[in-house]
Amino acid sequence: GESVGLHLPTLSVQEGDNSIINCAYSNSASDYFIWYKQESGKGPQFIIDIRSNMDKRQGQRVTVLLNKTVKHLSLQIAATQPGDSAVYFCAENSKAGTALIFGKGTTLSVSS
Amino acid sequence: EAQVTQNPRYLITVTGKKLTVTCSQNMNHEYMSWYRQDPGLGLRQIYYSMNVEVTDKGDVPEGYKVSRKEKRNFPLILESPSPNQTSLYFCASSLYANQPQHFGDGTRLSIL
Repeated sequence: GESVGLHLPTLSVQEGDNSIINCAYSNSASDYFIWYKQESGKGPQFIIDIRSNMDKRQGQRVTVLLNKTVKHLSLQIAATQPGDSAVYFCAENSKAGTALIFGKGTTLSVSS
Repeated sequence: EAQVTQNPRYLITVTGKKLTVTCSQNMNHEYMSWYRQDPGLGLRQIYYSMNVEVTDKGDVPEGYKVSRKEKRNFPLILESPSPNQTSLYFCASSLYANQPQHFGDGTRLSIL
């Protein structure tokens, strides 16, 4: 069935380092992917998205890479800051495009 | 400010007592959705709505009802709540399906 998973449940980095959060997806027909950030007590917050006709997309301090050959998605955060500490989810669209299917999340901890 | 507003944010109630969680968005979005978030299971879709008067089941619809009489509102109804519906609930909206969804800050329900 369709599923989205993350390789690591936790990631700890030092302030200023670059962070890479990985995600594997199983549905080769998925054509839309999103990264969300969830802070404690809040709802998921949109970070960046990418459609399947792209391999890379950049935002402010963030880059998403999509490798359709191996069905892999990654989020790179440059110069990680303590405020980046949160749970990060990748999500893919369902077959009908009517729902996002979320992975289980990676907790990013940034120490000063 | 563009936002998705859920009420209540917290509720403790008893089995069988009907409750409604309201969701309202001020972005004129056509698509709205409800998710529940449980430890180890991630975010799972309950119901969604493509537009006014158009609703459909997500992955875990049992025990829930929704309605979409107006574009801005999408209430979640638990007719006879049970303890297995204790969870953190999120409402989300987007302009259309397959677009970044904006999430509310969540409603934590405890059913005793």
